[in-house]
Amino acid sequence: GQSLEQPSEVTAVEGAIVQINCTYQTSGFYGLSWYQQHDGGAPTFLSYNALDGLEETGRFSSFLSRSDSYGYLLLQELQMKDSASYFCAVSGSARQLTFGSGTQLTVLP
Amino acid sequence: GAVVSQHPSRVICKSGTSVKIECRSLDFQATTMFWYRQFPKQSLMLMATSNEGSKATYEQGVEKDKFLINHASLTLSTLTVTSAHPEDSSFYICSARDRTGRETQYFGPGTRLLVL
Repeated sequence: GQSLEQPSEVTAVEGAIVQINCTYQTSGFYGLSWYQQHDGGAPTFLSYNALDGLEETGRFSSFLSRSDSYGYLLLQELQMKDSASYFCAVSGSARQLTFGSGTQLTVLP
Repeated sequence: GAVVSQHPSRVICKSGTSVKIECRSLDFQATTMFWYRQFPKQSLMLMATSNEGSKATYEQGVEKDKFLINHASLTLSTLTVTSAHPEDSSFYICSARDRTGRETQYFGPGTRLLVL
């Protein structure tokens, strides 16, 4: 089976940098993805890491260490609109996603 | 970017009725589609993997006779909730992976089901 752990809540102020960690245990690993979900909406893809290292996409970066079964999402220059739930997800052999429980990010003015 | 649509976006039905939800990939062909369910304040739980032209693969604990999945073409998968009950009320979301094999999954906007 697969299990993922991430913090349930994170609070930060506008303009700050926040890191959301994700550790996972999996029987088959093909990659770690990050999704953003606003209340009432569907998940939106943010990033994907299959190999160790850092992937940067604008204000968002994602990191993976396969040997540590660990990754993180880094959000820079936080904006109010970044307040949302963030999910890490691992891809299995059939490319199905197993999601973590989600981190509720609150950005304060 | 790739677009996935779902219809209907919201449905209210009486207990015992069946509800069909459609998931379409609008600008790409999806060999594999996934169906998830999300209860309030909880994570997305994979229900089943739908492959075009073959039977769906259901996750443990998901009743295949209750949640009928059909993936008749490369752009359409349907989920039918049969004999719906109030406990089936949830947010149902599909996602699709395109034929090129890229790892990105594109999610539909979701269908909110309320069973009275």
